[in-house]
This record gives sequence, structure tokens and C-alpha cells, in this order.
Amino acid sequence: QQQVKQSPQSLIVQKGGISIINCAYENTAFDYFPWYQQFPGKGPALLIAIRPDVSEKKEGRFTISFNKSAKQFSLHIMDSQPGDSATYFCAARDANDYKLSFGAGTTVTVRA
Amino acid sequence: NAGVTQTPKFRVLKTGQSMTLLCAQDMNHEYMYWYRQDPGMGLRLIHYSVGEGTTAKGEVPDGYNVSRLKKQNFLLGLESAAPSQTSVYFCASSLSRSEQFFGPGTRLTVL
Repeated sequence: QQQVKQSPQSLIVQKGGISIINCAYENTAFDYFPWYQQFPGKGPALLIAIRPDVSEKKEGRFTISFNKSAKQFSLHIMDSQPGDSATYFCAARDANDYKLSFGAGTTVTVRA
Repeated sequence: NAGVTQTPKFRVLKTGQSMTLLCAQDMNHEYMYWYRQDPGMGLRLIHYSVGEGTTAKGEVPDGYNVSRLKKQNFLLGLESAAPSQTSVYFCASSLSRSEQFFGPGTRLTVL
């Protein structure tokens, strides 16, 4: 049973558009929410992360929005580029642990 | 620095065969992890280690064993491979509770 539920499974966006990926969780002890980006044939790499004491974090064209009361967080990719085509995983870590629980992943395809 | 490396990159096994996947990291990380990645399932933790000589079970440990004899190496063993173990295996390492760094993966097919 996955502790972090991720949607959609895949999405296609035109170049310059906005990609939005959503994740939800139940464990209120989660205190760290990273997003990993994975290109085909490669291992995942940390893209951006947020802690629950802030509602938004932005790094370049990537923004995490966090809603603590709804137990949801999302990744927004602004001005999507073909180079952003990859699989994105949300994850969460319990405050009393060091292991990450991953979502199922979202494959993003950016059409030129 | 090479970061996290995994060998082999690809492997095909017959049901019942055994093999060992090797993970090595040169970042002096204490924590190491083995995941498997399957379509629609995300990354699932198989086993992990919090230091040399220690190992612990993750979410899906059945059919796998691990050893961490040296701090920089983490081995994943399959004693009797089954088709259900066909997957892509990733090793990762981290400095305590910080960012996890992943290797390039091993694609394993069990016939």
C-alpha cells in the first residue's frame, strides 16, 4: 500500500505550457517532501524539496505548492520545455525515519 | 567523484539461478538503499543499511538478501531468481537524513 498517492500517471503538454503533478498523503508525521526527476535509462535525481513549514518553494521554472491541512502537495513546471520530458516522482519522509516513501511516478512528455 | 555506481548494467537470468548486484559509492555516505522500480509502482525499498555491518528490511524484502561488509559497498543477492523479480534495480546512498543519490540502475530479466 503506497503511502504517497501520485496523479496523473502520465501527461502531455505543449512547449511553453504548465505541467502539474499532484500527490497526497495520510501520514501526518511526514516532514520532508522531495521531488525526483528521472530521465530514461538514468537513476532518479533530486529536483526540489519542501518542508511543511512553508506553503510554496520555487526553483527556476519548478514550483512546489504544499497544503498541509489537505495533506497534498504538487509540482508545477512552468514554461515546459522538451528537455523536461521525464518521469517525476514525489516522495515523503517520516520525521522519525530516514526512509523515503515514493509515489508511483508521472511521465511528462513535452511536445515541441 | 563517480558518485554511486552499479554493476552489472544488464543481466538475464533463468528461473532458479542466483546472482549478486554490486553497489559502490565514493561519497563516504553512511546510509545505503536498494530499490526496485516497476511500471506504475514507483520505487519500492527492498533493503537498506545505516552503516557498515548493518542491514534492515524495507517494504519488499522477500527473495532478496543484502550485505554491507564495507562502508562503500552494498550488495544485493538473489538466491533463487523468479520471474516476479524482473525489474530495474536502483541503489542509493545518503548522508544520514539528507538527499538520496541514486545509481544508474541494473535492468534484470528473469526468464
